[in-house]
Amino acid sequence: QTVVTQEPSFSVSPGETVTLTCGLSSASVSTNYYPSWYQQTPGQAPRTLIYSTNTRSSGVPDRFSGSILGNKAALTITGAQAADESDYYCVLYMGGGIWVFGGGTKLTVL
Amino acid sequence: QLQLQESGPGLVKPSETLSLTCTVSGGSISSSTYYWGWIRQPPGKGLEWIGSFYYSGSTYYNPSLKSRVTISVDTSKNQFSLKLSSVTAADTAVYYCATQIYYYYFMDVWGKGTTVTVSS
Repeated sequence: QTVVTQEPSFSVSPGETVTLTCGLSSASVSTNYYPSWYQQTPGQAPRTLIYSTNTRSSGVPDRFSGSILGNKAALTITGAQAADESDYYCVLYMGGGIWVFGGGTKLTVL
Repeated sequence: QLQLQESGPGLVKPSETLSLTCTVSGGSISSSTYYWGWIRQPPGKGLEWIGSFYYSGSTYYNPSLKSRVTISVDTSKNQFSLKLSSVTAADTAVYYCATQIYYYYFMDVWGKGTTVTVSS
């Protein structure tokens, strides 16, 4: 059973930088897992932020960036805004047509 | 611009089969660019990938749901469907259909989601 791990919650002050991570229970995350990131506000469908580790989806502000940090995928928000308060999910592609979601991180901006 | 819209019953009885349809507009379901997938989100919980279909005819399912899931495509209607059998209250969720881009392997376009409640 593959488990994708994320911080359950994170808090950041407006204007600060925050990095959310996405790990694997049994391996290191690399670009081979095509990490992607999604933002979801209550009652809304997810919005795609980042794909293929570090490519921003169309219309996504450049304060959102993706990378590999150590053995995890990472989503960095530079200069967090109140509007960034959301749930963030990472997804890893395991190969063979199988995707796995992380448990999500609830980001609070205050 | 590609758009997806889920439809189906909002209430399903325990032990019965949940059936949902996703209608695709602005693009062809026969395109080699996309996988066509289903994702769900139980109330207050995270997202879970259910399964996907590729135009070649291949289907891929979450191992934890594989025994109960069938995804099929109707090219004449530009639709794809989800069937989940033997449902229980644990299958109560918002169900989303989404495209997944071939080669880049991410969810690109999402439907708005439809709520399905399993209750007698």
